[in-house]
Amino acid sequence: DVQLLESGGGLVQPGGSLRLTCAASGFTFSNYVMSWVRQAPGKGLEWVSTLSGGSSTTYYADSVKGRFTISRDNSENTLYLQMNSLRAEDTAVYYCAKVLLWRSFDSWGQGILVTVSS
Amino acid sequence: EIVLTQSPATLSLSPGERATLSCRASQSVSDSLAWYQQKPGQAPRLLIYDASNRATGIPARFSGGGSGTDFTLTISSLEPEDFAVYFCQQGSSWPLTFGGGTKVEIK
Repeated sequence: DVQLLESGGGLVQPGGSLRLTCAASGFTFSNYVMSWVRQAPGKGLEWVSTLSGGSSTTYYADSVKGRFTISRDNSENTLYLQMNSLRAEDTAVYYCAKVLLWRSFDSWGQGILVTVSS
Repeated sequence: EIVLTQSPATLSLSPGERATLSCRASQSVSDSLAWYQQKPGQAPRLLIYDASNRATGIPARFSGGGSGTDFTLTISSLEPEDFAVYFCQQGSSWPLTFGGGTKVEIK
Protein backbone atom coordinates (compact mmCIF):
# COMPACT_ATOMS: atom_id res chain seq x y z
CA ASP A 1 0.00 0.00 0.00
CA VAL A 2 1.15 3.50 -0.81
CA GLN A 3 1.88 5.54 2.30
CA LEU A 4 2.79 9.22 2.42
CA LEU A 5 3.58 10.80 5.77
CA GLU A 6 4.13 14.54 6.10
CA SER A 7 6.02 16.21 8.92
CA GLY A 8 7.64 19.53 9.75
CA GLY A 9 4.59 21.74 10.07
CA GLY A 10 3.79 24.12 12.90
CA LEU A 11 3.51 27.76 13.86
CA VAL A 12 5.90 30.24 12.24
CA GLN A 13 6.04 34.02 12.21
CA PRO A 14 5.48 36.02 9.03
CA GLY A 15 8.72 36.19 7.07
CA GLY A 16 9.94 32.96 8.60
CA SER A 17 10.88 29.63 7.05
CA LEU A 18 9.79 26.04 7.40
CA ARG A 19 10.72 22.80 5.66
CA LEU A 20 8.08 20.13 5.13
CA THR A 21 9.04 16.49 4.66
CA CYS A 22 7.04 13.68 3.09
CA ALA A 23 8.21 10.13 3.72
CA ALA A 24 7.01 7.75 1.02
CA SER A 25 6.67 3.98 1.06
CA GLY A 26 4.86 1.19 -0.75
CA PHE A 27 5.92 2.15 -4.27
CA THR A 28 9.08 2.81 -6.30
CA PHE A 29 9.43 6.45 -5.30
CA SER A 30 11.97 7.46 -7.92
CA ASN A 31 9.63 6.43 -10.74
CA TYR A 32 6.90 8.88 -9.83
CA VAL A 33 6.20 12.56 -10.16
CA MET A 34 5.28 14.09 -6.78
CA SER A 35 3.43 17.20 -5.73
CA TRP A 36 2.39 19.41 -2.85
CA VAL A 37 -1.21 20.60 -2.59
CA ARG A 38 -2.54 22.86 0.16
CA GLN A 39 -5.90 23.72 1.67
CA ALA A 40 -6.49 26.85 3.72
CA PRO A 41 -8.83 26.35 6.70
CA GLY A 42 -12.39 25.89 5.47
CA LYS A 43 -11.37 26.51 1.86
CA GLY A 44 -10.77 24.56 -1.32
CA LEU A 45 -7.69 22.85 -2.69
CA GLU A 46 -4.75 24.71 -4.22
CA TRP A 47 -1.93 23.04 -6.15
CA VAL A 48 1.47 24.29 -4.95
CA SER A 49 4.28 22.51 -6.78
CA THR A 50 5.22 19.41 -8.80
CA LEU A 51 8.56 17.67 -9.27
CA SER A 52 9.53 14.94 -11.72
CA GLY A 53 10.99 11.63 -10.59
CA GLY A 54 14.53 12.55 -11.53
CA SER A 55 14.20 16.14 -10.29
CA SER A 56 14.78 17.58 -13.76
CA THR A 57 11.41 19.31 -14.08
CA THR A 58 9.61 21.50 -11.57
CA TYR A 59 6.46 23.57 -11.62
CA TYR A 60 5.23 26.12 -9.10
CA ALA A 61 2.04 28.06 -8.51
CA ASP A 62 2.55 31.79 -9.02
CA SER A 63 1.54 32.36 -5.40
CA VAL A 64 4.67 30.54 -4.14
CA LYS A 65 7.15 30.99 -6.98
CA GLY A 66 10.46 32.41 -5.73
CA ARG A 67 9.62 31.60 -2.11
CA PHE A 68 9.07 27.82 -2.06
CA THR A 69 11.40 25.10 -3.35
CA ILE A 70 10.39 21.51 -3.99
CA SER A 71 13.04 18.79 -3.90
CA ARG A 72 13.43 15.08 -3.33
CA ASP A 73 15.92 12.48 -2.15
CA ASN A 74 15.21 9.27 -4.03
CA SER A 75 17.73 7.34 -1.93
CA GLU A 76 15.63 8.20 1.14
CA ASN A 77 12.20 8.06 -0.55
CA THR A 78 11.54 11.56 0.69
CA LEU A 79 9.94 14.67 -0.79
CA TYR A 80 10.58 18.15 0.61
CA LEU A 81 9.07 21.60 0.46
CA GLN A 82 11.28 24.44 1.63
CA MET A 83 9.09 27.43 2.42
CA ASN A 84 10.70 30.85 2.87
CA SER A 85 9.30 34.36 3.34
CA LEU A 86 6.10 32.89 4.70
CA ARG A 87 2.93 34.96 4.70
CA ALA A 88 -0.34 34.73 6.58
CA GLU A 89 -2.02 33.53 3.39
CA ASP A 90 0.28 30.48 3.34
CA THR A 91 -1.58 29.15 6.39
CA ALA A 92 -3.02 25.81 5.30
CA VAL A 93 -2.91 22.07 5.58
CA TYR A 94 -0.21 20.90 3.19
CA TYR A 95 -0.63 17.55 1.48
CA CYS A 96 2.02 15.48 -0.22
CA ALA A 97 0.57 13.69 -3.23
CA LYS A 98 1.70 11.07 -5.71
CA VAL A 99 0.98 12.13 -9.27
CA LEU A 100 -0.73 10.04 -11.94
CA LEU A 101 0.33 10.70 -15.54
CA TRP A 102 1.36 14.30 -14.68
CA ARG A 103 -2.34 15.12 -14.52
CA SER A 104 -3.97 14.02 -11.27
CA PHE A 105 -3.18 12.96 -7.70
CA ASP A 106 -3.80 9.29 -6.96
CA SER A 107 -2.48 9.04 -3.40
CA TRP A 108 -2.39 11.64 -0.65
CA GLY A 109 -0.75 11.98 2.73
CA GLN A 110 -2.82 12.83 5.79
CA GLY A 111 -1.69 16.46 5.64
CA ILE A 112 0.28 18.74 7.94
CA LEU A 113 -0.84 22.11 9.26
CA VAL A 114 1.29 25.18 8.71
CA THR A 115 0.20 28.32 10.56
CA VAL A 116 1.81 31.65 9.77
CA SER A 117 1.02 34.14 12.51
CA SER A 118 2.69 36.55 14.87
CA GLU B 1 -5.05 29.94 -15.79
CA ILE B 2 -7.99 27.60 -16.35
CA VAL B 3 -10.86 28.32 -13.98
CA LEU B 4 -13.12 25.44 -12.98
CA THR B 5 -16.66 26.25 -11.85
CA GLN B 6 -18.56 23.59 -9.96
CA SER B 7 -22.32 23.50 -9.54
CA PRO B 8 -24.34 23.35 -7.49
CA ALA B 9 -22.43 24.49 -4.42
CA THR B 10 -24.60 22.24 -2.27
CA LEU B 11 -26.70 19.24 -3.23
CA SER B 12 -29.25 17.99 -0.70
CA LEU B 13 -30.29 14.42 -1.40
CA SER B 14 -31.44 11.28 0.38
CA PRO B 15 -29.63 7.93 0.45
CA GLY B 16 -30.51 5.91 -2.61
CA GLU B 17 -31.01 8.96 -4.80
CA ARG B 18 -28.92 9.82 -7.85
CA ALA B 19 -26.44 12.69 -7.61
CA THR B 20 -25.23 14.65 -10.62
CA LEU B 21 -22.40 17.13 -10.09
CA SER B 22 -21.17 19.55 -12.73
CA CYS B 23 -17.75 21.03 -13.47
CA ARG B 24 -17.25 23.61 -16.20
CA ALA B 25 -13.84 24.77 -17.43
CA SER B 26 -13.08 28.27 -18.71
CA GLN B 27 -11.34 26.71 -21.72
CA SER B 28 -10.99 23.22 -23.10
CA VAL B 29 -9.09 20.71 -20.97
CA SER B 30 -9.73 17.85 -23.41
CA ASP B 31 -10.28 14.85 -21.10
CA SER B 32 -7.73 15.87 -18.46
CA LEU B 33 -10.21 16.18 -15.65
CA ALA B 34 -10.21 14.41 -12.29
CA TRP B 35 -12.73 14.17 -9.46
CA TYR B 36 -11.94 13.83 -5.75
CA GLN B 37 -13.99 13.13 -2.65
CA GLN B 38 -13.10 14.73 0.67
CA LYS B 39 -14.65 13.99 4.05
CA PRO B 40 -14.16 16.24 7.11
CA GLY B 41 -10.68 15.94 8.59
CA GLN B 42 -9.49 13.64 5.81
CA ALA B 43 -7.31 13.99 2.75
CA PRO B 44 -8.96 14.02 -0.67
CA ARG B 45 -9.39 10.70 -2.45
CA LEU B 46 -9.13 10.28 -6.21
CA LEU B 47 -12.37 8.96 -7.69
CA ILE B 48 -12.12 9.58 -11.43
CA TYR B 49 -9.19 10.47 -13.68
CA ASP B 50 -9.05 11.42 -17.35
CA ALA B 51 -12.73 12.35 -17.17
CA SER B 52 -14.20 8.85 -17.08
CA ASN B 53 -11.75 6.35 -15.59
CA ARG B 54 -12.47 5.10 -12.10
CA ALA B 55 -9.45 5.03 -9.80
CA THR B 56 -8.40 1.81 -8.10
CA GLY B 57 -10.94 0.58 -5.59
CA ILE B 58 -13.67 3.09 -6.47
CA PRO B 59 -17.17 1.57 -6.57
CA ALA B 60 -19.02 1.35 -9.86
CA ARG B 61 -21.75 3.70 -8.63
CA PHE B 62 -19.32 6.55 -9.32
CA SER B 63 -19.01 7.54 -12.97
CA GLY B 64 -17.56 10.49 -14.82
CA GLY B 65 -18.33 11.93 -18.21
CA GLY B 66 -17.72 14.85 -20.49
CA SER B 67 -14.89 16.38 -22.46
CA GLY B 68 -13.69 19.79 -23.49
CA THR B 69 -15.29 22.23 -21.07
CA ASP B 70 -18.25 20.40 -19.51
CA PHE B 71 -17.96 17.45 -17.16
CA THR B 72 -20.20 15.53 -14.80
CA LEU B 73 -19.70 13.22 -11.86
CA THR B 74 -22.63 10.90 -11.26
CA ILE B 75 -23.29 8.82 -8.17
CA SER B 76 -25.97 6.41 -9.26
CA SER B 77 -27.39 5.61 -5.82
CA LEU B 78 -26.08 7.47 -2.80
CA GLU B 79 -24.72 5.43 0.06
CA PRO B 80 -24.39 6.96 3.57
CA GLU B 81 -20.61 7.18 3.15
CA ASP B 82 -20.94 9.26 -0.04
CA PHE B 83 -22.04 12.42 1.75
CA ALA B 84 -18.94 14.57 1.42
CA VAL B 85 -17.41 17.39 -0.60
CA TYR B 86 -16.39 16.72 -4.20
CA PHE B 87 -13.74 18.65 -6.14
CA CYS B 88 -12.86 18.59 -9.83
CA GLN B 89 -9.31 19.30 -11.03
CA GLN B 90 -7.83 19.92 -14.46
CA GLY B 91 -4.50 18.50 -15.55
CA SER B 92 -4.44 19.95 -19.04
CA SER B 93 -2.16 22.92 -18.41
CA TRP B 94 -0.11 24.58 -15.70
CA PRO B 95 -1.01 25.75 -13.18
CA LEU B 96 -3.11 22.76 -12.22
CA THR B 97 -6.37 24.06 -10.82
CA PHE B 98 -9.28 22.82 -8.75
CA GLY B 99 -12.92 23.74 -8.70
CA GLY B 100 -14.47 25.27 -5.61
CA GLY B 101 -16.25 22.08 -4.61
CA THR B 102 -19.77 20.69 -4.30
CA LYS B 103 -21.03 19.56 -0.93
CA VAL B 104 -23.38 16.58 -1.07
CA GLU B 105 -25.43 16.65 2.12
CA ILE B 106 -28.17 14.50 3.57
CA LYS B 107 -31.63 15.89 2.94
